[in-house]
Amino acid sequence: RKEVEQDPGPFNVPEGATVAFNCTYSNSASQSFFWYRQDCRKEPKLLMSVYSSGNEDGRFTAQLNRASQYISLLIRDSKLSDSATYLCVVPGGSYIPTFGRGTSLIVHP
Amino acid sequence: DGGITQSPKYLFRKEGQNVTLSCEQNLNHDAMYWYRQDPGQGLRLIYYSQIVNDFQKGDIAEGYSVSREKKESFPLTVTSAQKNPTAFYLCASRQGASYNEQFFGPGTRLTVL
Repeated sequence: RKEVEQDPGPFNVPEGATVAFNCTYSNSASQSFFWYRQDCRKEPKLLMSVYSSGNEDGRFTAQLNRASQYISLLIRDSKLSDSATYLCVVPGGSYIPTFGRGTSLIVHP
Repeated sequence: DGGITQSPKYLFRKEGQNVTLSCEQNLNHDAMYWYRQDPGQGLRLIYYSQIVNDFQKGDIAEGYSVSREKKESFPLTVTSAQKNPTAFYLCASRQGASYNEQFFGPGTRLTVL
């Protein structure tokens, strides 16, 4: 099993839709998790941190399921500006951040 | 403003040449990282440093070298031994513990001609 796995998508949704991404991880000792957003040809930027069961910030909700070893990202009321790649990050061996390959989201009018 | 800078933004290199990518941070972070990203791929770790004068290989260190002589600086050299160096290179830093986020520089896009 790969350390961090994400569905690459693309997820193609209309404006206003609700969309959810999952990220599975293999290191059961992981304690902190992150979702980053990466726009085309730009650097990743932090979207949300997840330390316990979950986190919510406006239209974005991240949830952690330790038993099944996955984290999810829910985006409500999608905007055109949400179009990007969403990267899941999990601490790997020696607490080195390990990135998933990312999930591509396209929000269309 | 605190942050991470990388230079140059675009770099072209002839085959067989070594090239050094700059990464500087003024966030006073202990740890620094170099990643490589290929089209449609995630970030792969090249080297990381958790303290000055110390660094470790990541998953794809072959053909690369680094130094960490100052806390603020973590330059990456892409040597001629790297067989396929054309990629987007990202530098990141983080303060200490694993529950802290990484901050990224704007990246350097290297093309080998």
